[in-house]
Amino acid sequence: QQPVQSPQAVILREGEDAVINCSSSKALYSVHWYRQKHGEAPVFLMILLKGGEQKGHEKISASFNEKKQQSSLYLTASQLSYSGTYFCGTAARETSGSRLTFGEGTQLTVNP
Amino acid sequence: DTGVSQDPRHKITKRGQNVTFRCDPISEHNRLYWYRQTLGQGPEFLTYFQNEAQLEKSRLLSDRFSAERPKGSFSTLEIQRTEQGDSAMYLCASRGTGPGVGYTFGSGTRLTVV
Repeated sequence: QQPVQSPQAVILREGEDAVINCSSSKALYSVHWYRQKHGEAPVFLMILLKGGEQKGHEKISASFNEKKQQSSLYLTASQLSYSGTYFCGTAARETSGSRLTFGEGTQLTVNP
Repeated sequence: DTGVSQDPRHKITKRGQNVTFRCDPISEHNRLYWYRQTLGQGPEFLTYFQNEAQLEKSRLLSDRFSAERPKGSFSTLEIQRTEQGDSAMYLCASRGTGPGVGYTFGSGTRLTVV
């Protein structure tokens, strides 16, 4: 089943923060986060493997609550280059990470 | 590292025709995936190879779709008797071994069935 992302869209001014949430009805083995710009391929941001794990990548970080089957992506001090659609991809335990099920995406727009 | 290459970038075909797409993964990656993406949606899983073995195939995939990965290198995705509903971006991704490794996607093949 497809994970649910929220919000569907968010508009920021440069320098503002945002949180994107990803929720699954299934037990999860891992959560991936990707960013896709218009007309381009999705680009890998980070992967979270353990419950409660938090990882960081420049000013973008993420957390994974295995018990709640939820992950959140945190974008701080946003830059114009952060604009794009963010997808979470989840791997369920039974497939042991062999494939991802992606959410519908969150469209992020950062304005000057 | 030349990335994941897909060919062609665009394909326009008439309904009922067969089409074949090619994907060249990153050479040291043993895992290869095919996904389909329509406008405003996330990528949808089609099939997965580990080396030359096709280990998983989506139940949503009709028997008009077939994929191969001979010798565990490049892969092809064939769609027979195309339908208008097959119009989409077809993405290939490869992945190396290790628990902390993500997908590297190719630029995709955009299929338009007219």
